[in-house]
Amino acid sequence: AQRVTQPEKLLSVFKGAPVELKCNYSYSGSPELFWYVQYSRQRLQLLLRHISRESIKGFTADLNKGETSFHLKKPFAQEEDSAMYYCALKGGRGAQKLVFGQGTRLTINP
Amino acid sequence: GAGVSQSPSNKVTEKGKDVELRCDPISGHTALYWYRQSLGQGLEFLIYFQGNSAPDKSGLPSDRFSAERTGGSVSTLTIQRTQQEDSAVYLCASSLGTAHSGNTIYFGEGSWLTVV
Repeated sequence: AQRVTQPEKLLSVFKGAPVELKCNYSYSGSPELFWYVQYSRQRLQLLLRHISRESIKGFTADLNKGETSFHLKKPFAQEEDSAMYYCALKGGRGAQKLVFGQGTRLTINP
Repeated sequence: GAGVSQSPSNKVTEKGKDVELRCDPISGHTALYWYRQSLGQGLEFLIYFQGNSAPDKSGLPSDRFSAERTGGSVSTLTIQRTQQEDSAVYLCASSLGTAHSGNTIYFGEGSWLTVV
């Protein structure tokens, strides 16, 4: 079964500090991992996906198959990063649904 | 160039009544998803449509929930005999399809349902 766990419901850091949002997954095959973000009063949107190996808004995430993790990191947090972040898993090519974690609400304090 | 459109944006209904939530996906998107976002519960998969294939209904929480997609475009999620625990934001999303791993899923703004 596919499962995504985000252990922190709330995370608060100061502006300029590093931030890491944790995500662990459970899947027997080769998963596709994503991070979605929902800013206040906006719709849920894709932030980044592991296959692209990209950095979006300063955020990066590395898939660690050994630890079954896909933690989201940013070296210097900005106030505009305050949002709800969801880690999501799709069970590889051809899989039909995206399974989400419970989300982490990130607050960046000035 | 409109994104995924959902209506109503807010709905307050009395317990026991039926409700219908509508989703208009991005033009040309063959895949359509419904999710439920409850406070403290994250995003819960409900149902998935892909083209003319039989929908994946594995996430529907009870037989009071049903969804259809007419003509491969607009979808309606129906909740019969609503209960207070049905109160949530119902999100619709669409994508070009899932056969290609690069397809991005785009979400609507959601329909906020409150059952009183």
